[in-house]
Amino acid sequence: GESVGLHLPTLSVQEGDNSIINCAYSNSASDYFIWYKQESGKGPQFIIDIRSNMDKRQGQRVTVLLNKTVKHLSLQIAATQPGDSAVYFCAASIQGYQKVTFGTGTKLQVIP
Amino acid sequence: EPEVTQTPSHQVTQMGQEVILRCVPISNHLYFYWYRQILGQKVEFLVSFYNNEISEKSEIFDDQFSVERPDGSNFTLKIRSTKLEDSAMYFCASSGAGGLNEQFFGPGTRLTVL
Repeated sequence: GESVGLHLPTLSVQEGDNSIINCAYSNSASDYFIWYKQESGKGPQFIIDIRSNMDKRQGQRVTVLLNKTVKHLSLQIAATQPGDSAVYFCAASIQGYQKVTFGTGTKLQVIP
Repeated sequence: EPEVTQTPSHQVTQMGQEVILRCVPISNHLYFYWYRQILGQKVEFLVSFYNNEISEKSEIFDDQFSVERPDGSNFTLKIRSTKLEDSAMYFCASSGAGGLNEQFFGPGTRLTVL
């Protein structure tokens, strides 16, 4: 089966700095990856996704990088703001299936 | 902006009792999901539902669990005989299509089994 892990349980960054959250996955068949943000007391919120035929995708202030060779992905947040403080989950899925396997989460703390 | 809603926000029940958690997915979505999150742990997939039947389920989703779409708007998760270890946040999600598509999550129901 798939296991998805995050390298650090907590990440503290200064407001305005860039944040990088890393994630590793185990199943080489996984071909769709999603980053979710979860604020306290709320459900996961979609941030950005990437398919395995890409190695980089950019959104508004966020970039996801995918390295299929080492089964690693990262989320980069530019100019981190206090509102970015949350738990971030990476998740993986396989095309044709609805099941999404979540990682354990990294708590991002933004220091004003 | 359309959103997934869930009721109740918090459910307290005695061990062995049946509970029904309710969700109203986004109206034009076709795929529906239940996930759970034990306090401080990761989100775990339970089940996906499409075209009035279960399309996928995890090993967590045993005979104590069932899902239903009783009408055109609601999607429910029933736990027949709750156990202490069922205490968790339960999230409903929906998506416009299956496979590689964005799932929208509801705010969750906190289930506490005493």
